[in-house]
Amino acid sequence: SQTIHQWPATLVQPVGSPLSLECTVEGTSNPNLYWYRQAAGRGLQLLFYSVGIGQISSEVPQNLSASRPQDRQFILSSKKLLLSDSGFYLCAWTPTGNTEAFFGQGTRLTVV
Amino acid sequence: AQSVTQLGSHVSVSEGALVLLRCNYSSSVPPYLFWYVQYPNQGLQLLLKYTSAATLVKGINGFEAEFKKSETSFHLTKPSAHMSDAAEYFCAVSGAGSYQLTFGKGTKLSVIP
Repeated sequence: SQTIHQWPATLVQPVGSPLSLECTVEGTSNPNLYWYRQAAGRGLQLLFYSVGIGQISSEVPQNLSASRPQDRQFILSSKKLLLSDSGFYLCAWTPTGNTEAFFGQGTRLTVV
Repeated sequence: AQSVTQLGSHVSVSEGALVLLRCNYSSSVPPYLFWYVQYPNQGLQLLLKYTSAATLVKGINGFEAEFKKSETSFHLTKPSAHMSDAAEYFCAVSGAGSYQLTFGKGTKLSVIP
């Protein structure tokens, strides 16, 4: 069966520090991969999605970037965190040609 | 283009009462529709999905939803609320052939004993 792993679960980082969140999927190949950010009362905002290695689409301009160095690995990064980057970050995957999404457990990021 | 509107950011029901969470969508192509549930500090779990088959869709934990094209709605219901149903619920839409899910802002369900 397929599983998705996302880490760390919680993270407290100072303003201006770098960020790296990692997500991996097991038990499938060539998944579509997604990073969402969730802010209270604002639902889920799609940040990035990827349909293949090295293929990244950005949905909103921001202080973040994403990379997909391997088929089942998706990384969310920042060179310098802002206070506004605080939030709950969710990684998700869908099978190719399907939009039923499966989510990781999320990372609670607090920028201080 | 597609969008989702969830009416009511907070809904409270008594234990044993009917749960009704409202979702309206817009989509320029035939939609696929989903309901997800999220417990505090966890990811989202799929409750049910509509993908152009039967309009009444049954999901996990006794939930069901009905696709009504004329009303562009996909409301979530459960006949009798249980304390364990307290969570946040998200409606989502995608168009056939699209890579992306568009989510509503969520409805937080409280169940009163």
